Amino acid sequence: EPEVTQTPSHQVTQMGQEVILRCVPISNHLYFYWYRQILGQKVEFLVSFYNNEISEKSEIFDDQFSVERPDGSNFTLKIRSTKLEDSAMYFCASRPQGATEAFFGQGTRLTVV
Amino acid sequence: AQSVTQLDSHVSVSEGTPVLLRCNYSSSYSPSLFWYVQHPNKGLQLLLKYTSAATLVKGINGFEAEFKKSETSFHLTKPSAHMSDAAEYFCVVSVAANSGYALNFGKGTSLLVTP
Repeated sequence: EPEVTQTPSHQVTQMGQEVILRCVPISNHLYFYWYRQILGQKVEFLVSFYNNEISEKSEIFDDQFSVERPDGSNFTLKIRSTKLEDSAMYFCASRPQGATEAFFGQGTRLTVV
Repeated sequence: AQSVTQLDSHVSVSEGTPVLLRCNYSSSYSPSLFWYVQHPNKGLQLLLKYTSAATLVKGINGFEAEFKKSETSFHLTKPSAHMSDAAEYFCVVSVAANSGYALNFGKGTSLLVTP
């Protein structure tokens, strides 16, 4: 069964460093998302991406964040200068045309030290 | 704005007994609602979805949920709990189409199943 894959599963980075989280969405899906879950808190929407551009972003998704689909398969989230409060589980999701539900990857746990 | 409230942060049941996980929603129009499950060290898996068709929705692993507009509820049920059902469960509402159907999550309910 097709699935969304995320790499790495766990990333530790020093505060102020740039980090790139990678995702391979399901191949025929057209809509892509990033969510995050800070430990003990709810899953929060970050950004949605369609047709090679951001379609919606939350207040969390400030100038430190960017997304990119550099080729036909990968979808990346870049955090330019990480802060301690960026420590969280980051989930990538994708959605096919005509569906309302999204399919999630297993997440990348980002720890900023 | 579309939102959901999960009424219990933790639910504990004995194996073989019924499961009830409660969720209320707030929406200015007929929403799309979902239940997702997260097992330890796993991703978020879709259990079931409601999208304005039948109000009683059947999902995977014997779970079902009933959409009740009069009560603005979408509770998740299962007749008989299994040990493997122990996980975190999220009630989720889809935001408007013009925002790309972004999902708004509840805070989650942790289900514990005891022998």
